[in-house]
Amino acid sequence: SQTIHQWPATLVQPVGSPLSLECTVEGTSNPNLYWYRQAAGRGLQLLFYSVGIGQISSEVPQNLSASRPQDRQFILSSKKLLLSDSGFYLCAWGGGAYSGYTFGSGTRLTVV
Amino acid sequence: AQSVTQLGSHVSVSEGALVLLRCNYSSSVPPYLFWYVQYPNQGLQLLLKYTSAATLVKGINGFEAEFKKSETSFHLTKPSAHMSDAAEYFCAALNNAGNMLTFGGGTRLMVKP
Repeated sequence: SQTIHQWPATLVQPVGSPLSLECTVEGTSNPNLYWYRQAAGRGLQLLFYSVGIGQISSEVPQNLSASRPQDRQFILSSKKLLLSDSGFYLCAWGGGAYSGYTFGSGTRLTVV
Repeated sequence: AQSVTQLGSHVSVSEGALVLLRCNYSSSVPPYLFWYVQYPNQGLQLLLKYTSAATLVKGINGFEAEFKKSETSFHLTKPSAHMSDAAEYFCAALNNAGNMLTFGGGTRLMVKP
């Protein structure tokens, strides 16, 4: 069966430090992958999505970047974190056409 | 472009009362529609989905939703709320290509004892 793993679960980072969040999918190939952010009291904001290795689409210009070095790996990064980067980050994969998404368990990022 | 609107960012019901969470979509073609639930500090979990097979869709935890094309709605209901239903609920619509979900703003459901 297909599973999605996201880590770490929580992270506290100082302003100006780098960030790397990883998401991996098992049991499927060539999935569509997505990164979302939830800021406190706000809805889901699509940050990036990827339809294949090295193919990244950015939805919102910001302090973050994404990479897909392998078919089932999706990484969210930042060179220098800002306070406004705090939030709950969710990775998701598209389970085939018209199947919707399966979400990871999320990473709570607090920038201090 | 598609849009999904959830009326009411916060809904409060008493335990045992009817739960009704509203969702309206805008699309020229009836889309595939989804409801997700999110418990605190967790990812989103699929409750149910509409794929045009039947207008009344039953999901997990006793929830169901009815697709009404004339009203462009896909409201989520549960006859009797439990304390464990307290969570945030998201309605979403899939694009015509079947690979991109548009989410509503979410509704936080609170259940009072």
